[in-house]
Amino acid sequence: GAGVSQSPSNKVTEKGKDVELRCDPISGHTALYWYRQRLGQGLEFLIYFQGNSAPDKSGLPSDRFSAERTGESVSTLTIQRTQQEDSAVYLCASSANEKLFFGSGTQLSVL
Amino acid sequence: QKEVEQNSGPLSVPEGAIASLNCTYSDRGSQSFFWYRQYSGKSPELIMFIYSNGDKEDGRFTAQLNKASQYVSLLIRDSQPSDSATYLCAVRGPDSWGKFQFGAGTQVVVTP
Repeated sequence: GAGVSQSPSNKVTEKGKDVELRCDPISGHTALYWYRQRLGQGLEFLIYFQGNSAPDKSGLPSDRFSAERTGESVSTLTIQRTQQEDSAVYLCASSANEKLFFGSGTQLSVL
Repeated sequence: QKEVEQNSGPLSVPEGAIASLNCTYSDRGSQSFFWYRQYSGKSPELIMFIYSNGDKEDGRFTAQLNKASQYVSLLIRDSQPSDSATYLCAVRGPDSWGKFQFGAGTQVVVTP
């Protein structure tokens, strides 16, 4: 597709369940980011993939969070044993040069 | 100290006036600077980028960069109600694979 695609667009889960969020970057984009945005807040950096380099995981808030990326394509963000404070919009973005393009996000609600 | 700092606002601007937004950054080696606009409930979209000291104009938007003082600003001329949004400043690190760092954003409200 022409843009960054994220799925699902909405996810409602129960506390303690695991969730998996998916991001399809723009074709050819070597860099991929995951951000979290709580209601009314700014973007919170989670993790950054650049080509085949080791990912920058410095923003992951706890060991319940993990992410993978296959080559320069799809990435999945996994949250284990979800907590209510995990409720937020999770945004994926990709870049091939100096410009970052965002997907429409996944709204995660943990009940 | 946050790496990228912005006033949270809200910044209230009369329609037709100039909105002025500021952003400061801590990494003196930063090379690339961006302004994103985010409407409520939507994803951020790129509106301006600037690499060199000075001004860069694109329509009603002007980005200004001062690397010595480590600040970047965005001016919105002839502000319209449709400009009401949160404006995010982003800074990219010094190397080729530098990470994008975002400020918390400034909310702009343009009043008719």
